[in-house]
This record gives sequence, structure tokens and C-alpha cells, in this order.
Amino acid sequence: GQNIDQPTEMTATEGAIVQINCTYQTSGFNGLFWYQQHAGEAPTFLSYNVLDGLEEKGRFSSFLSRSKGYSYLLLKELQMKDSASYLCAVKDSNYQLIWGAGTKLIIKP
Amino acid sequence: IAGITQAPTSQILAAGRRMTLRCTQDMRHNAMYWYRQDLGLGLRLIHYSNTAGTTGKGEVPDGYSVSRANTDDFPLTLASAVPSQTSVYFCASSDGLAGDEQFFGPGTRLTVL
Repeated sequence: GQNIDQPTEMTATEGAIVQINCTYQTSGFNGLFWYQQHAGEAPTFLSYNVLDGLEEKGRFSSFLSRSKGYSYLLLKELQMKDSASYLCAVKDSNYQLIWGAGTKLIIKP
Repeated sequence: IAGITQAPTSQILAAGRRMTLRCTQDMRHNAMYWYRQDLGLGLRLIHYSNTAGTTGKGEVPDGYSVSRANTDDFPLTLASAVPSQTSVYFCASSDGLAGDEQFFGPGTRLTVL
């Protein structure tokens, strides 16, 4: 079967750095996405990786290793508004997104 | 309209009733999707449409039906609602290319009693 694993919850301090990991086992791979979802709101797109390596976008970076079935999302200079759930999703061989359950990130002052 | 809209925002429904959740996008995206999101579970795909006039089944299609008569609209119908269909429903759209991001509507919170 297909599986996306990420930690259920993480806590970090304002101004610090946090890394949210995602491991996946899917039938085929056509890219990995990270989305942010604030409580009670819709998910919004953060990043897309299809080749191995690091993609940087401002305070957020995303890394992919296809051979290890592994990705992480790195958030720097954490702000209180970064408190949200972070969803990892993989596009499978049918080009459908398979979603992880999400990681709830709590930022403390 | 800017982006993707859903209606209603929330609904309480008696079991056995028929319900249609509406979704409209103005981005001229080819592909549209319906997901349900339940606590502790990831988003699960119910049905999708790669282009107007075509639809496909996702991971959890039972009890739901969709239609795609035109590019903009993608309604989801529950023929006879059951309590296990209590969930938050998100509609999404994308341009259908390999690396495309999905844009989500604000969601419909449905409670079936």
C-alpha cells in the first residue's frame, strides 16, 4: 500500500529553526509537495520537489532524497504565524496526490 | 469570484437526505478534485476530473457522485447521507500539469446526524 509518514506534532520557539520530516512509500513518484494549513482554513502550497536536493524559498526550504523516500521542510526564523499544520503529499504513478496526516507545529514565544 | 469557492460553508444534515456540495473556480483550471479531511487522517481523494466532461474515482468514492458539465463547476452529491460522511470537504483545482500545485476552496463542514 501507499504510505506517507510525518510526526503528529512538534513544538519550537519563536526565532528558532525547525525541521519537519516526511518519509514515503508510494507506487511511483512524480513529485513531492508541502502545504501549510492553518486551523479552520484550507491548505496552501509551500513547495514542490521532483529532483534530489534542496529548494529554498525565503524562510522555508524543502529537501528531497528519492533513493531514501525522504523529504524535510525547514523553517527558519520562526514566527508565531508559522503555527499551523504542515502537510506532505506525494504525486504517485497515476498523478494523484497521496497525503500525509500532517504535522501540527506549535510555536512558543 | 477570485479563485475557488464552495457552498455551503457548513451544513447539518439528517441521515438519509440527499445533499449537493457546490464548487466553482474561475482560474480556467483543467483539473478539479474533491477531498475529505478527518481528524488524524490525511486528505483523502473522493473523486477527480482531469478535464470537463470526464470524472474518475479516488480513494474513497463510495456514497458520492460528481459531474463536470463545464470547466468551472464540479458539484459533489451525497445521494443518501450517513453519519460516517461527517467531515470537512475541500474542493481543489489545478492546471493539470505534472508539477502543478492545487488551489483549495475554503471547505464545507458537513455534519450528518
